[in-house]
Amino acid sequence: EIVLTQSPGTLSLSPGESATLSCRASQSVSTNYLAWYQQKPGQAPRLLIYGASRRATGIPNRFSGSGSGTDFTLTISRLEPEDFAVYYCQEYGTSRTFGQGTKVEIK
Amino acid sequence: EVQLLESGGGLVQPGGSLRLSCAATGFSFSNYAMSWVRQAPGKGLEWVSAISDTLASSFHADSVRGRFTISRDNSKNTLFLQMNSLGAEDTALYYCAKGSSFSRPYFFDQWGQGTLVTVSS
Repeated sequence: EIVLTQSPGTLSLSPGESATLSCRASQSVSTNYLAWYQQKPGQAPRLLIYGASRRATGIPNRFSGSGSGTDFTLTISRLEPEDFAVYYCQEYGTSRTFGQGTKVEIK
Repeated sequence: EVQLLESGGGLVQPGGSLRLSCAATGFSFSNYAMSWVRQAPGKGLEWVSAISDTLASSFHADSVRGRFTISRDNSKNTLFLQMNSLGAEDTALYYCAKGSSFSRPYFFDQWGQGTLVTVSS
């Protein structure tokens, strides 16, 4: 089973700043089958990125994904108030496991 | 518009059983794999079970294998999760999630709002 480790656990930033979230896999992720989800309090998760770098339908272009192999990054440029949330990465090629999440909070 | 509406959650005693349902609308249900994902209070997401479109294959996480069974009724556009031998560790919000394709690999492109399962005496 692939284990995903996200860092940092919490990111404290101000609106307008950029956020860089990391997701590291315990072994290589096949064909970049890596997704990112956003979850706001009291809401279901929402798909942001799949295939490591492809934005889901309706996702603003300030969200971008990159990486390959074992190291992946979600970048949020120019944080908007609605972007403060918890973000999860998920490997969906073999084990469907999620990372433990990174909380992006208002500084 | 895709909608996934979970039901069947509630309070159950340790060792008890519960059957969750997820009614799907707005897409061709029989053409997509489906999954259950749970989230314990204050914790992260945990994939629980998955089933392909044609019922050919189902999968369960190690933590629930042998106790939970996923199934679907394509004629009623409904996904199920039969949960037996429940323990406190199964207390969570259970989400129904739509796969992006009919079989692996797929990510979860739509989610329901969840149904809460509480295991307590």
